[in-house]
Amino acid sequence: LAKTTQPISMDSYEGQEVNITCSHNNIATNDYITWYQQFPSQGPRFIIQGYKTKVTNEVASLFIPADRKSSTLSLPRVSLSDTAVYYCLGLYDKIIFGKGTRLHILP
Amino acid sequence: GAVVSQHPSRVICKSGTSVKIECRSLDFQATTMFWYRQFPKQSLMLMATSNEGSKATYEQGVEKDKFLINHASLTLSTLTVTSAHPEDSSFYICSAREGASGPYEQYFGPGTRLTVT
Repeated sequence: LAKTTQPISMDSYEGQEVNITCSHNNIATNDYITWYQQFPSQGPRFIIQGYKTKVTNEVASLFIPADRKSSTLSLPRVSLSDTAVYYCLGLYDKIIFGKGTRLHILP
Repeated sequence: GAVVSQHPSRVICKSGTSVKIECRSLDFQATTMFWYRQFPKQSLMLMATSNEGSKATYEQGVEKDKFLINHASLTLSTLTVTSAHPEDSSFYICSAREGASGPYEQYFGPGTRLTVT
């Protein structure tokens, strides 16, 4: 299972684009890079998943370079409701959570 | 997306008693379910993995006699905290997925807040 490293916390302002980069130097060939969001006292919620290159859905984009040693979650035009903890992880079998990034959106 | 429910959402029990938490997949069959616990301001810690009809696989350091997991059907798993103590007070979260392995999305329940007095 890949060990992931993310910034512990980030602050941004409403309407800005936020990029959270995650390092996963030893990600396994089978692992899919997956991001989850968690609000206080709730279970994590799936945001996006990719294997390589770029993936986009209605809430975020995920950029994965060819070597797959890192990934960047991009949240366009954040709002106050995006304040949460964001976890990046390698997924094939069971999910092991790292410490995550505590994102705080300011008005 | 698929829905996973947990019951109860909150429970308070006295020290020494046992508490059962249910995890259900509402609109899909969960081959595999997972149980996590989370302390305040900390990340989720995986406790165990269970496959329907099989014994659960516990992570290192998790007492299997204290945290009893049963995955009797493809839609229900239960976690029983036996002889609960105040240090067992935590947020317990289950998740479920359809496949036994592979990049299947794991769907998480809303969590159960256990307080042991």
